[in-house]
Amino acid sequence: GAVVSQHPSRVICKSGTSVKIECRSLDFQATTMFWYRQFPKQSLMLMATSNEGSKATYEQGVEKDKFLINHASLTLSTLTVTSAHPEDSSFYICSAHEPSGVADTQYFGPGTRLTVL
Amino acid sequence: AQSVTQLDSQVPVFEEAPVELRCNYSSSVSVYLFWYVQYPNQGLQLLLKYLSGSTLVKGINGFEAEFNKSQTSFHLRKPSVHISDTAEYFCAVSDPSGGYQKVTFGTGTKLQVIP
Repeated sequence: GAVVSQHPSRVICKSGTSVKIECRSLDFQATTMFWYRQFPKQSLMLMATSNEGSKATYEQGVEKDKFLINHASLTLSTLTVTSAHPEDSSFYICSAHEPSGVADTQYFGPGTRLTVL
Repeated sequence: AQSVTQLDSQVPVFEEAPVELRCNYSSSVSVYLFWYVQYPNQGLQLLLKYLSGSTLVKGINGFEAEFNKSQTSFHLRKPSVHISDTAEYFCAVSDPSGGYQKVTFGTGTKLQVIP
């Protein structure tokens, strides 16, 4: 199947700093990527949909100015957590929508563990 | 709106025994259904998906699921589990009519395989 990578796999930062997480589709072009966060022992919650060349679509309750999303190319989307605080600590997972093949499927990255001190 | 219910948060089962992980969904339109597996500190891996056609879907690692439209269920089964199957399993549904796939996940079921 298609491969999606994320970088970094884990990051620890001080409160008030910004952190950038990259999501790449390695062997296909993804016009749409999705960003999720997962709290311990909970399911994945969709944060936003990232569309190449246009503004991201954020889910209700997600702060656009805090979670900046850029989808500059067909293989790369970035999520920047600005002025991070301890409550932003979470597991962030991206997925990429592969439009080819029998039917559309999302492929998930391995996730990024963010810890804000 | 669509939603997914996984009634069992944890399912312990002995090695080589069969297992069924339950999933029910609600939606006003036809949907796609998925099962994903997540190993500790990792992303999600697609086990199988139902799009249309045969209601019995076979996936990787010996898993299969059956789509039951009348009961709005998509239960995951494996006839004989291994220790390596210990992981969290998520059922998911998407509405393909929205122009892109917006996936709604269930709360997950933790499968614990006991030696």
